[in-house]
Amino acid sequence: EAQVTQNPRYLITVTGKKLTVTCSQNMNHEYMSWYRQDPGLGLRQIYYSMNVEVTDKGDVPEGYKVSRKEKRNFPLILESPSPNQTSLYFCASSFGAGGVNEQFFGPGTRLTVL
Amino acid sequence: AQSVTQLGSHVSVSEGALVLLRCNYSSSVPPYLFWYVQYPNQGLQLLLKYTSAATLVKGINGFEAEFKKSETSFHLTKPSAHMSDAAEYFCAVSDPGGSNYKLTFGKGTLLTVNP
Repeated sequence: EAQVTQNPRYLITVTGKKLTVTCSQNMNHEYMSWYRQDPGLGLRQIYYSMNVEVTDKGDVPEGYKVSRKEKRNFPLILESPSPNQTSLYFCASSFGAGGVNEQFFGPGTRLTVL
Repeated sequence: AQSVTQLGSHVSVSEGALVLLRCNYSSSVPPYLFWYVQYPNQGLQLLLKYTSAATLVKGINGFEAEFKKSETSFHLTKPSAHMSDAAEYFCAVSDPGGSNYKLTFGKGTLLTVNP
């Protein structure tokens, strides 16, 4: 089954404790992206990757890191999480550019930073 | 920078009534435009997209949207609402001056369908 998977689905952590949210897709998509969803703000793009080893900032990259060492994986790293990073996070992937082609979204990761 | 405005954070309709969800974008150059839907506790999925081939775009589940350049609008409609249409709907636009790698979403419109 073609899908985007994220782990964990739910995470409660404390300020400053490094964490990684994994994202994997099995559709051989070049493009992958991370978004955060907050009430009343919609989805905002954090980072995106056009292909392996090629990443760029979205609209809200502060406090986040990403890497793209393999085509299928695009982990999101919070090196020192803070309460304002409490949010619902979505990973997405697409063939070609995400601003042109349909993006396929993962089920989301709900993160709470205390 | 590109921006998207969705008028009405919450729209409520009766089952069988017309659904109209409004979206306006800021660019003077026609970009790529999308409508995505998010059902409760799920990720987003594509409803339809505009890529300049036709101004009236038909999507899944009976939804359609009309691109109006003069009004910089891309409103989503469905003639007859069904209970299963209850969800949050997001309009999104690509950056026409960029590399088409970035997508900007509106804040979303929550659609409630009353029996």
